[in-house]
Amino acid sequence: QQQVKQSPQSLIVQKGGISIINCAYENTAFDYFPWYQQFPGKGPALLIAIRPDVSEKKEGRFTISFNKSAKQFSLHIMDSQPGDSATYFCAASLLNSGGGADGLTFGKGTHLIIQP
Amino acid sequence: DAGVTQSPTHLIKTRGQQVTLRCSPKSGHDTVSWYQQALGQGPQFIFQYYEEEERQRGNFPDRFSGHQFPNYSSELNVNALLLGDSALYLCASSLRDGDYEQYFGPGTRLTVT
Repeated sequence: QQQVKQSPQSLIVQKGGISIINCAYENTAFDYFPWYQQFPGKGPALLIAIRPDVSEKKEGRFTISFNKSAKQFSLHIMDSQPGDSATYFCAASLLNSGGGADGLTFGKGTHLIIQP
Repeated sequence: DAGVTQSPTHLIKTRGQQVTLRCSPKSGHDTVSWYQQALGQGPQFIFQYYEEEERQRGNFPDRFSGHQFPNYSSELNVNALLLGDSALYLCASSLRDGDYEQYFGPGTRLTVT
């Protein structure tokens, strides 16, 4: 089964700092890479996503960096806040013939704690 | 605009029993995907439905089956439940043509005893 490897498993960052989570994938055919945020007892919420034709995408405090040759991508959370404390998942998928995404392959998650 | 809804919220079943979980997609979405999330793990893809047909399947046994209705809502059925089937079952909806974002519901917590 195609894998997406995520690190670190857990991360503690001081308020105002930068949180960085990394993912690596194996299948070079993947062409859609989303990040999800999940709070306890809730379903994952789409945070930001990138296609491999760009190397970086920024939305507010969240930035995805993408390195196609290394088959790696990362999430940067700038000015981290206590409300950002959650579990973060990277994922990858192919796009189907209609342009929609096939089933997502998820990493194992990163438990992020932002200390006040 | 209602998001993805799932029912029931929680469910307790005994080994060997069968269970049906339900999902209503986000308004305007026509594709439903199901995922299993074990405690402390990332979601694992079960299958995806579009136009009432299973279009893609992950590495799950035939005990897991599904259905999509003409109104795009979907059911996940699991037969002969095992203790290892205890997990959070997530439904995600999306639009087949041109929009690859998948939006998740809150999930159904299934406990098998």
